[in-house]
Amino acid sequence: EADIYQTPRYLVIGTGKKITLECSQTMGHDKMYWYQQDPGMELHLIHYSYGVNSTEKGDLSSESTVSRIRTEHFPLTLESARPSHTSQYLCASSERDSYGYTFGSGTRLTVV
Amino acid sequence: EDQVTQSPEALRLQEGESSSLNCSYTVSGLRGLFWYRQDPGKGPEFLFTLYSAGEEKEKERLKATLTKKESFLHITAPKPEDSATYLCAVQVYSGGGADGLTFGKGTHLIIQP
Repeated sequence: EADIYQTPRYLVIGTGKKITLECSQTMGHDKMYWYQQDPGMELHLIHYSYGVNSTEKGDLSSESTVSRIRTEHFPLTLESARPSHTSQYLCASSERDSYGYTFGSGTRLTVV
Repeated sequence: EDQVTQSPEALRLQEGESSSLNCSYTVSGLRGLFWYRQDPGKGPEFLFTLYSAGEEKEKERLKATLTKKESFLHITAPKPEDSATYLCAVQVYSGGGADGLTFGKGTHLIIQP
Protein backbone atom coordinates (compact mmCIF):
# COMPACT_ATOMS: atom_id res chain seq x y z
CA GLU A 1 0.00 0.00 0.00
CA ALA A 2 1.49 3.31 -1.12
CA ASP A 3 2.10 5.94 1.53
CA ILE A 4 3.27 8.52 -0.98
CA TYR A 5 0.95 9.59 -3.75
CA GLN A 6 1.64 11.33 -7.03
CA THR A 7 -0.92 12.78 -9.39
CA PRO A 8 -1.47 12.68 -12.24
CA ARG A 9 0.11 9.36 -13.28
CA TYR A 10 0.24 10.42 -16.91
CA LEU A 11 0.02 13.90 -18.44
CA VAL A 12 0.20 15.09 -22.04
CA ILE A 13 0.22 18.85 -22.46
CA GLY A 14 1.05 21.46 -25.07
CA THR A 15 4.15 23.64 -25.12
CA GLY A 16 3.91 26.78 -23.01
CA LYS A 17 1.35 25.44 -20.54
CA LYS A 18 1.81 25.81 -16.80
CA ILE A 19 1.57 22.54 -14.88
CA THR A 20 1.82 21.36 -11.29
CA LEU A 21 2.73 17.80 -10.37
CA GLU A 22 1.31 16.81 -7.00
CA CYS A 23 3.07 14.76 -4.32
CA SER A 24 1.67 13.91 -0.90
CA GLN A 25 2.86 11.57 1.84
CA THR A 26 1.08 10.34 4.95
CA MET A 27 4.13 9.21 6.92
CA GLY A 28 5.02 12.54 8.51
CA HIS A 29 8.48 12.53 6.91
CA ASP A 30 10.34 15.83 7.00
CA LYS A 31 12.61 15.07 4.04
CA MET A 32 11.14 15.02 0.58
CA TYR A 33 12.73 14.82 -2.89
CA TRP A 34 11.96 15.13 -6.58
CA TYR A 35 13.88 13.00 -9.07
CA GLN A 36 13.77 12.98 -12.85
CA GLN A 37 14.22 9.75 -14.78
CA ASP A 38 14.51 9.27 -18.53
CA PRO A 39 14.12 5.76 -20.04
CA GLY A 40 17.17 3.61 -19.39
CA MET A 41 18.90 6.40 -17.52
CA GLU A 42 19.75 7.19 -13.92
CA LEU A 43 17.49 9.03 -11.54
CA HIS A 44 18.68 12.60 -11.05
CA LEU A 45 17.86 14.76 -8.04
CA ILE A 46 16.20 18.03 -9.09
CA HIS A 47 14.76 19.40 -5.81
CA TYR A 48 14.71 18.53 -2.14
CA SER A 49 13.24 19.78 1.11
CA TYR A 50 14.21 19.18 4.73
CA GLY A 51 10.92 20.44 6.11
CA VAL A 52 8.27 23.16 5.94
CA ASN A 53 9.51 26.31 4.16
CA SER A 54 12.75 24.55 3.17
CA THR A 55 13.47 23.99 -0.54
CA GLU A 56 16.75 23.53 -2.42
CA LYS A 57 17.84 22.72 -5.95
CA GLY A 58 19.44 19.36 -6.56
CA ASP A 59 22.31 18.20 -8.73
CA LEU A 60 20.46 18.35 -12.04
CA SER A 61 19.55 21.80 -13.31
CA SER A 62 15.82 22.12 -13.71
CA GLU A 63 13.50 24.91 -14.79
CA SER A 64 10.87 23.68 -12.35
CA THR A 65 10.13 25.12 -8.92
CA VAL A 66 8.84 23.53 -5.72
CA SER A 67 7.15 24.63 -2.52
CA ARG A 68 6.74 23.09 0.94
CA ILE A 69 3.98 24.83 2.87
CA ARG A 70 2.81 21.66 4.62
CA THR A 71 4.85 18.67 5.77
CA GLU A 72 2.80 16.23 3.75
CA HIS A 73 2.71 18.16 0.46
CA PHE A 74 5.58 18.88 -1.98
CA PRO A 75 4.28 20.03 -5.38
CA LEU A 76 6.48 20.68 -8.43
CA THR A 77 5.56 23.41 -10.93
CA LEU A 78 6.64 24.10 -14.49
CA GLU A 79 5.69 27.67 -15.47
CA SER A 80 6.04 27.08 -19.21
CA ALA A 81 6.39 23.48 -20.34
CA ARG A 82 8.69 22.57 -23.24
CA PRO A 83 9.30 19.29 -25.10
CA SER A 84 12.66 19.01 -23.29
CA HIS A 85 10.69 18.58 -20.05
CA THR A 86 9.27 15.28 -21.28
CA SER A 87 10.34 12.73 -18.67
CA GLN A 88 9.22 10.73 -15.64
CA TYR A 89 9.13 12.65 -12.38
CA LEU A 90 9.44 10.69 -9.14
CA CYS A 91 8.70 12.02 -5.67
CA ALA A 92 10.22 10.43 -2.56
CA SER A 93 10.39 10.94 1.18
CA SER A 94 12.57 9.66 4.01
CA GLU A 95 12.29 9.59 7.77
CA ARG A 96 15.86 10.61 8.50
CA ASP A 97 19.41 10.57 7.19
CA SER A 98 20.61 7.28 5.76
CA TYR A 99 17.18 5.70 5.78
CA GLY A 100 15.73 4.25 2.62
CA TYR A 101 13.52 6.49 0.58
CA THR A 102 9.87 5.71 -0.12
CA PHE A 103 9.04 6.58 -3.72
CA GLY A 104 5.74 7.39 -5.33
CA SER A 105 4.65 5.74 -8.57
CA GLY A 106 5.74 8.73 -10.61
CA THR A 107 4.21 11.12 -13.15
CA ARG A 108 5.05 10.48 -16.77
CA LEU A 109 4.97 13.86 -18.49
CA THR A 110 4.88 14.36 -22.24
CA VAL A 111 5.07 17.87 -23.68
CA VAL A 112 4.01 18.14 -27.31
CA GLU B 1 32.43 13.62 -8.55
CA ASP B 2 30.51 10.69 -7.11
CA GLN B 3 30.00 7.85 -9.58
CA VAL B 4 27.98 4.67 -9.51
CA THR B 5 28.39 2.03 -12.23
CA GLN B 6 26.21 -1.05 -12.45
CA SER B 7 26.91 -4.19 -14.43
CA PRO B 8 25.71 -5.92 -16.41
CA GLU B 9 23.21 -3.56 -18.01
CA ALA B 10 20.91 -6.48 -18.70
CA LEU B 11 20.85 -10.10 -17.55
CA ARG B 12 18.64 -12.95 -18.66
CA LEU B 13 18.51 -16.05 -16.44
CA GLN B 14 16.57 -19.26 -16.34
CA GLU B 15 14.34 -19.82 -13.34
CA GLY B 16 16.49 -21.27 -10.56
CA GLU B 17 19.78 -20.04 -12.06
CA SER B 18 21.61 -18.04 -9.39
CA SER B 19 23.73 -15.00 -10.27
CA SER B 20 25.08 -11.69 -8.98
CA LEU B 21 24.64 -8.05 -9.95
CA ASN B 22 27.51 -5.62 -9.44
CA CYS B 23 27.56 -2.01 -8.28
CA SER B 24 30.92 -0.21 -8.32
CA TYR B 25 31.16 3.19 -6.71
CA THR B 26 33.59 6.08 -6.40
CA VAL B 27 32.67 8.53 -3.68
CA SER B 28 34.38 10.92 -1.31
CA GLY B 29 32.82 9.51 1.84
CA LEU B 30 30.19 6.80 1.82
CA ARG B 31 27.29 7.32 4.17
CA GLY B 32 25.22 4.44 2.86
CA LEU B 33 24.66 2.25 -0.19
CA PHE B 34 21.11 1.44 -1.21
CA TRP B 35 19.53 -1.21 -3.41
CA TYR B 36 16.13 -0.69 -4.99
CA ARG B 37 13.90 -2.71 -7.25
CA GLN B 38 11.93 -0.92 -9.97
CA ASP B 39 9.11 -2.48 -11.94
CA PRO B 40 8.00 -0.96 -15.28
CA GLY B 41 5.92 2.18 -14.82
CA LYS B 42 6.46 2.28 -11.06
CA GLY B 43 8.68 4.05 -8.60
CA PRO B 44 11.67 2.28 -7.05
CA GLU B 45 10.98 -0.02 -4.10
CA PHE B 46 13.51 -0.01 -1.26
CA LEU B 47 15.35 -3.29 -0.64
CA PHE B 48 18.47 -2.74 1.49
CA THR B 49 20.82 -0.20 3.01
CA LEU B 50 24.47 -1.13 3.69
CA TYR B 51 26.66 1.17 5.74
CA SER B 52 30.13 -0.35 6.06
CA ALA B 53 32.46 -2.78 4.31
CA GLY B 54 31.78 -6.37 5.26
CA GLU B 55 28.11 -5.80 5.97
CA GLU B 56 25.56 -8.21 4.49
CA LYS B 57 21.77 -8.17 4.38
CA GLU B 58 19.25 -10.73 3.15
CA LYS B 59 15.65 -10.71 2.06
CA GLU B 60 14.05 -13.83 0.62
CA ARG B 61 16.14 -14.80 -2.43
CA LEU B 62 18.26 -11.63 -2.34
CA LYS B 63 21.48 -11.00 -0.47
CA ALA B 64 23.44 -7.74 -0.62
CA THR B 65 27.10 -7.39 0.31
CA LEU B 66 29.43 -4.40 0.52
CA THR B 67 33.18 -3.83 0.12
CA LYS B 68 35.09 -0.55 0.04
CA LYS B 69 34.70 -0.28 -3.74
CA GLU B 70 31.63 -2.26 -4.73
CA SER B 71 28.45 -3.99 -3.72
CA PHE B 72 26.93 -7.18 -4.98
CA LEU B 73 23.32 -8.22 -5.09
CA HIS B 74 23.20 -12.00 -5.11
CA ILE B 75 20.02 -13.63 -6.28
CA THR B 76 19.59 -17.30 -5.37
CA ALA B 77 17.23 -19.60 -7.29
CA PRO B 78 15.33 -16.69 -8.86
CA LYS B 79 11.69 -16.86 -9.92
CA PRO B 80 9.98 -15.03 -12.79
CA GLU B 81 8.51 -12.53 -10.31
CA ASP B 82 12.06 -11.38 -9.54
CA SER B 83 12.21 -9.85 -13.01
CA ALA B 84 12.74 -6.10 -12.63
CA THR B 85 15.36 -3.39 -12.89
CA TYR B 86 17.64 -3.33 -9.84
CA LEU B 87 19.05 0.06 -8.93
CA CYS B 88 22.06 0.85 -6.80
CA ALA B 89 22.48 4.26 -5.15
CA VAL B 90 24.97 5.89 -2.80
CA GLN B 91 24.60 8.60 -0.22
CA VAL B 92 27.66 10.61 0.79
CA TYR B 93 28.63 12.94 3.59
CA SER B 94 27.82 16.28 1.99
CA GLY B 95 29.02 18.80 4.56
CA GLY B 96 25.66 20.47 4.81
CA GLY B 97 24.61 20.08 1.19
CA ALA B 98 22.06 17.80 -0.34
CA ASP B 99 21.88 14.30 1.06
CA GLY B 100 20.16 13.00 -2.03
CA LEU B 101 21.10 9.68 -3.51
CA THR B 102 23.32 9.22 -6.58
CA PHE B 103 21.93 6.38 -8.66
CA GLY B 104 23.42 3.98 -11.19
CA LYS B 105 21.61 3.18 -14.43
CA GLY B 106 20.43 -0.17 -13.12
CA THR B 107 20.55 -3.80 -14.19
CA HIS B 108 17.53 -5.05 -16.11
CA LEU B 109 16.96 -8.61 -14.90
CA ILE B 110 14.74 -11.08 -16.74
CA ILE B 111 13.98 -14.50 -15.26
CA GLN B 112 12.59 -16.95 -17.79
CA PRO B 113 10.32 -19.81 -16.64
